[in-house]
Formats: sequence, C-alpha cells, structure tokens
Amino acid sequence: NAGVMQNPRHLVRRRGQEARLRCSPMKGHSHVYWYRQLPEEGLKFMVYLQKENIIDESGMPKERFSAEFPKEGPSILRIQQVVRGDSAAYFCASYSGTGDGYTFGSGTRLTVV
Amino acid sequence: GQSLEQPSEVTAVEGAIVQINCTYQTSGFYGLSWYQQHDGGAPTFLSYNALDGLEETGRFSSFLSRSDSYGYLLLQELQMKDSASYFCARGGGGADGLTFGKGTHLIIQP
Repeated sequence: NAGVMQNPRHLVRRRGQEARLRCSPMKGHSHVYWYRQLPEEGLKFMVYLQKENIIDESGMPKERFSAEFPKEGPSILRIQQVVRGDSAAYFCASYSGTGDGYTFGSGTRLTVV
Repeated sequence: GQSLEQPSEVTAVEGAIVQINCTYQTSGFYGLSWYQQHDGGAPTFLSYNALDGLEETGRFSSFLSRSDSYGYLLLQELQMKDSASYFCARGGGGADGLTFGKGTHLIIQP
C-alpha cells in the first residue's frame, strides 16, 4: 500500500509562472482533499473532490487556483501566475469513507521566487 | 462559524504525562480528530472521538465533551520522538473534510 503520493516534493517557481501539484490517493479511496499550510500555522482546507466532481471548493481562492480529479490519473492542483504569497506547503489527503481517519501525503513545498 | 482553539506551545519532560486541550465553536459538529505532525512531515492520524468520553490507543488517549465543546489529547510516558505539533480538527467521521486548529508545538525535555 503506497499511501497517498504527492509530487513533486519541492517545487520552485518564478513569479508569474504556473505550478502544478499532483496527488494520487490511496488505493480504494475516492475522496481527495487539498490543504495549504503556512509556516507555524494549521492546515487550511482548500477543496474536496471525488472522481470528475468538485464537491466543495469553498476554501480555494476564486482566481488563479483550480483543481481537478479526472476519471483516470491523479488529482491536480493548479496555480496560475504564482505570487510570493502562494509559497506554502500543500498537502493532499484521501479518505476511504469508513471513518478510519484521513491519510495525508508528504506534501509539496512550493517556493515562489 | 468554525474555530478551534489550542495552546500554541507545551513543554514537558521525558517520561511524564501531558495534556493538550482543544476548545471549539462550530455551528455543526462532526466529531473531533487529532493529528500529529513532525517538522517537515505529513500529518498523521492519531484518534477520533464522535461521542463523549475517552478513547485510548496505546500511550495516546483522547477525550471529548460535547456539552462543554471541549476535548483533549493525553500523551503518557513521553518519549523524545513525541516532540511534534499536534492538531485538533473538527470532523473525521465522514467525508466532509477536516477543519484544523492552529496546532500545539510539544517540546519534550530530557
């Protein structure tokens, strides 16, 4: 069981570039969540997806950010025209639906220079 | 609204017991979860309380009182490897996701 796989582990982008973060949930998990964490802060919910559906995107900025979870392949969090304030750790979690906790990936540390 | 309050930092001695408190305000309550996160690491699930009372898992226990909007995580026989941040979170019993507190940094001294 490979767990929740996120890549890349570290990503450096210049201001104005695009960042693409990938997440493959645990095998058998159909619920995927993205969180953002700033240094010394808790995790802030961004978006909840199931296959081909966005269930709740109330935590995601309206501009520049988008997320998808296609029928095949990983979930993608896309940040267009990155700014320095986007620098953070982005964690993906998946859930089986059976109440045994959420499993987090190791995160992607995005640095915007 | 939804907010969870927990101390920002707690210091304890190796071998001792420590309690990390969490109070919450939420318009809808779906249980209280606890997660551990080491520096640079992923949050890992520790426990979940849907109902009032104590849940025990090895050295870790978690308590919930819904009438007091309060819970705590109890760590016994502290080890140096327990030095980490601990987050309480609303939710965990369903697919609605988690709302996290800001975390408690636990410092363990020899």
